[in-house]
Amino acid sequence: AQSVTQPDIHITVSEGASLELRCNYSYGATPYLFWYVQSPGQGLQLLLKYFSGDTLVQGIKGFEAEFKRSQSSFNLRKPSVHWSDAAEYFCAVSDYKLSFGAGTTVTVRA
Amino acid sequence: NAGVTQTPKFRVLKTGQSMTLLCAQDMNHEYMYWYRQDPGMGLRLIHYSVGEGTTAKGEVPDGYNVSRLKKQNFLLGLESAAPSQTSVYFCASSGRGNYSPLHFGNGTRLTVT
Repeated sequence: AQSVTQPDIHITVSEGASLELRCNYSYGATPYLFWYVQSPGQGLQLLLKYFSGDTLVQGIKGFEAEFKRSQSSFNLRKPSVHWSDAAEYFCAVSDYKLSFGAGTTVTVRA
Repeated sequence: NAGVTQTPKFRVLKTGQSMTLLCAQDMNHEYMYWYRQDPGMGLRLIHYSVGEGTTAKGEVPDGYNVSRLKKQNFLLGLESAAPSQTSVYFCASSGRGNYSPLHFGNGTRLTVT
């Protein structure tokens, strides 16, 4: 069965600094991978997804993620964070039903 | 565009009471899902449906039932609520295929006392 691990429960970053969120997956075949963001009191919104092709995928809000098969990783990055990026981020892998990681909460300090 | 709408937004139940959460989507999606979100555990799949009239168990189905009588609606029922079911419940829908992203509702916060 597929599974996702997000090693970092909470990350604090300064506004304007870069951000990287880690995601490791376990899946037997070619994975379908996703990153979602959840703002307080809201549902989840898709940031980006990967299935095949270019291992660096671009998403909304200036985010990108890199798929590394050798490391079973799909890390999310943003070069310069904004205060509005404070949220909870979830990595997920799909086998026609999504399995989510436990999430990483991002705090942005001024 | 309404997308995925969940009702109610908040609810408090006493142990043993029953209730139904309603999810409606207007995107003509085939697949619908119910997740629960608890601190430190991410989202866990309760039940899902791949089409009208079909349902299947997810990761944590015990204590819940679902029905998909119409394509646009997916109901989650709690027959006898327990404090362990205190959670935030999210409904989602998607098109067919592993690559179709999920569209989420804004959640229902349920407290069972």
